[in-house]
Amino acid sequence: EIVLTQSPATLSLSPGERATLSCRASQSVSAYLAWYQQKPGQAPRLLIYDAFKRATGIPARFSGSGSGTDFTLTISSLEPEDLAVYYCQQRSDWPPVFGQGTKLEIK
Amino acid sequence: EVQLLESGGGLVQPGGSLRLSCAASGFTFSSYAMNWVRQAPGKGLQWVSAIGGSGGSTYYADSMKGRFTISRDNSKNTLYLQMNSLRVDDTAVYYCAKSLRGGDGDSVDYWGQGTLVTVSS
Repeated sequence: EIVLTQSPATLSLSPGERATLSCRASQSVSAYLAWYQQKPGQAPRLLIYDAFKRATGIPARFSGSGSGTDFTLTISSLEPEDLAVYYCQQRSDWPPVFGQGTKLEIK
Repeated sequence: EVQLLESGGGLVQPGGSLRLSCAASGFTFSSYAMNWVRQAPGKGLQWVSAIGGSGGSTYYADSMKGRFTISRDNSKNTLYLQMNSLRVDDTAVYYCAKSLRGGDGDSVDYWGQGTLVTVSS
């Protein structure tokens, strides 16, 4: 089973700053990686799929990059509403596991 | 508008059974694989099971194999999860989720609001 490791576990930044979240796979997942955002008390929302494609309605400040084993989610300029836990998920192999999440705190 | 509405959660004793349902609307249900994903209280997301659009292919996380059964009724636009031999560590919010482009193993683009399953004596 592929293992996804996200870092850091918690990230605390101010509005307007740039956030960089990492997801590392235990083996290559090609570009079959997605990022989800889960705000407190809500269901997750798809942000990025296939490593870099933005889902419908996602603001341009969210971008994804990477391939193989190393991936990055970048939020170019943080907004207060970006407070959430962010998860990566691979779909290269069954089961389509999730990373353990990165909690983004807004100062 | 895509809508996914889960139901069937509740309190059950260890060893008991429960059937979750997910009523779908706003898209051609039979054209999309569907998934169940769960989240234990205060924990991360865990993929549980998936089923192809026709229902002919099913997939399970190892810890659910033999205990959980996913199925769908395309005439009723409804997804199911039959859960047997429930354990305390099955306690979680269970989400129904639609595949992005229809295929098995795709990313998921719509999620229901979740239904809470509590396994406790």
